[in-house]
Amino acid sequence: AQSVSQHNHHVILSEAASLELGCNYSYGGTVNLFWYVQYPGQHLQLLLKYFSGDPLVKGIKGFEAEFIKSKFSFNLRKPSVQWSDTAEYFCAVKGPGANNLFFGTGTRLTVIP
Amino acid sequence: NAGVTQTPKFQVLKTGQSMTLQCAQDMNHNSMYWYRQDPGMGLRLIYYSASEGTTDKGEVPNGYNVSRLNKREFSLRLESAAPSQTSVYFCASRTRQPNEKLFFGSGTQLSVL
Repeated sequence: AQSVSQHNHHVILSEAASLELGCNYSYGGTVNLFWYVQYPGQHLQLLLKYFSGDPLVKGIKGFEAEFIKSKFSFNLRKPSVQWSDTAEYFCAVKGPGANNLFFGTGTRLTVIP
Repeated sequence: NAGVTQTPKFQVLKTGQSMTLQCAQDMNHNSMYWYRQDPGMGLRLIYYSASEGTTDKGEVPNGYNVSRLNKREFSLRLESAAPSQTSVYFCASRTRQPNEKLFFGSGTQLSVL
């Protein structure tokens, strides 16, 4: 069965600190991987995605993620966080031809000014 | 551009009452989804619809029914609400591959007393 694990439930950082949020998935086959973000009071929106090709993908607002197939991981990174990055971050996975997307439990990021 | 519109935004029900959550998208997407979001559990798929007239169960379908009467609208019905259904509900629609992306509504906060 497909599953997504996000081990960090709540991360607190000071502005300008570097960020790495872990995401591991369990899926038998080729995967499409996503990071979605939910800012306070807003609905979820796509941050970045990986389908194929270069395993290092860049998204909006300076975020990037690296797909490491051997580790079944798709960790999210940002070199220097800002207060406005305070949000909840969700990793998600689906098979290329599948209809449903499986989400992780989410990581709440709090950035202290 | 309205995107995905959900109604109502807030609802309080008594145990045993019924209600329907409405969702409509104006982006001509085939696939639509209903998720529930609970603290510490992330987003879990309730039902999805790959196209007009078709629906399929997700991870947590019990206690819910859905209707996809046309391409725009996908409703979620609680026939006999239970306190365990207290949650935030999100509707979403998805663009086609290869550039697939979920667009979410603003959510419905439901409390069942």
